[in-house]
Amino acid sequence: EVQLVESGGGLVEPGESLRLSCAASGFTFRTHTFNWVRQAPGKGLEWVASISGDGIYFYYADSVKGRFTISTDNAKVSVYLQMNSLRADDTAMYYCATWGGDSKKGYYFDNWGPGTLVTVSS
Amino acid sequence: QSVLTQPPSVSGAPGQRVTISCTGSSSNIGAGYAVHWYQQLPGTAPKLLISDNDNRPSGVPDRFSGSKSGTSASLAITGLQAEDEADYYCQCFDRSLSGSYVFGTGTKVSVL
Repeated sequence: EVQLVESGGGLVEPGESLRLSCAASGFTFRTHTFNWVRQAPGKGLEWVASISGDGIYFYYADSVKGRFTISTDNAKVSVYLQMNSLRADDTAMYYCATWGGDSKKGYYFDNWGPGTLVTVSS
Repeated sequence: QSVLTQPPSVSGAPGQRVTISCTGSSSNIGAGYAVHWYQQLPGTAPKLLISDNDNRPSGVPDRFSGSKSGTSASLAITGLQAEDEADYYCQCFDRSLSGSYVFGTGTKVSVL
């Protein structure tokens, strides 16, 4: 059974940093692409970043480019999101999700973790 | 702000049919990219409901169906049940936003 479990969320002040983790199990890590998707309180979903399981390909939403870094650790079968220069509008539930489908039609998010909450406030 | 527009809310009585629209543009749905749908029950993570316009993943009841035409897509729920009360989001790839994966604004389905 595919399982994704996020951790690392918490309360930080504006300008500070935080690293989120996503532990994966139940499938071959290197053959999947992993994503972070966030949801601000009472708001909709926003794709944040993607990375291939081998760590070679990665993509970012414009809203986080230059501040967030996505990475993988195959030995620990985990995905990370390093978040720097955090702002109040980064406050959200952060979900880890895998890609399904293909690039021609456009990928979808087929497996999701329960999420970890990040709150940026002074 | 999202580039895919959905109605904020729809409602129906048990057993009725409701539809949710998802309106995009020539850079996403109209460009031929597939539309996918997610169901988010209160306090839980989203769950993939429909992939590639009209495919139901294993375990999704057949009362959920998807369609796409032009720059829009729709999700239909037939035989509405109390357990269908949730938020629903469409999603697509948009080639005009540095290659971003975009979600719809979300629709709250209420069962009367």
